[in-house]
Amino acid sequence: GENVEQHPSTLSVQEGDSAVIKCTYSDSASNYFPWYKQELGKGPQLIIDIRSNVGEKKDQRIAVTLNKTAKHFSLHITETQPEDSAVYFCAAPTRGGSQGNLIFGKGTKLSVKP
Amino acid sequence: DAGVIQSPRHEVTEMGQEVTLRCKPISGHDYLFWYRQTMMRGLELLIYFNNNVPIDDSGMPEDRFSAKMPNASFSTLKIQPSEPRDSAVYFCASSPRGGYTEAFFGQGTRLTVV
Repeated sequence: GENVEQHPSTLSVQEGDSAVIKCTYSDSASNYFPWYKQELGKGPQLIIDIRSNVGEKKDQRIAVTLNKTAKHFSLHITETQPEDSAVYFCAAPTRGGSQGNLIFGKGTKLSVKP
Repeated sequence: DAGVIQSPRHEVTEMGQEVTLRCKPISGHDYLFWYRQTMMRGLELLIYFNNNVPIDDSGMPEDRFSAKMPNASFSTLKIQPSEPRDSAVYFCASSPRGGYTEAFFGQGTRLTVV
């Protein structure tokens, strides 16, 4: 089955700086990679996702890059703001391409200091 | 749509008592997931359903845990008897097509077993 490793576990940046969170996965058949943001007291919410037919996807200040050869994908947040402070999770589907469930990384707690 | 609705939001119970957590998924979503979140283990999938049928319950920790989905708009997760180590936040999520698509999470139920 799939195994997802995420790092760092905590990340502190100054407002306006960039933040990068990285994940690796084990199943080369995986082809969908979402990122979720969890604010305090709430459930995780999808912020961006990428499928294996592209190497990069952007949405305003956030971007995700995918390296299928190395089996890793990264979340990039530029011009960070205090409201970006949250826990971020990467995920990948189990059993490669089958429509099963998502396996989540352990999460990265991002703190953006004003 | 109001999103995924979980109840109760908080539950405090004594060890040995039965606990029932409830979830109403988003209408039209074919997949329903139950996750448990703890500091030590992160987000763990307990069980998921496809069209009301349990597909994978390998994440259910013990026979004390059981889940049902009697119809497309309702699911329960039951713990009997509860133990202090069951204390965690339990999330229900639903999605249109399983691992390939966005999972929508509820607000979670914070369970404390004393």
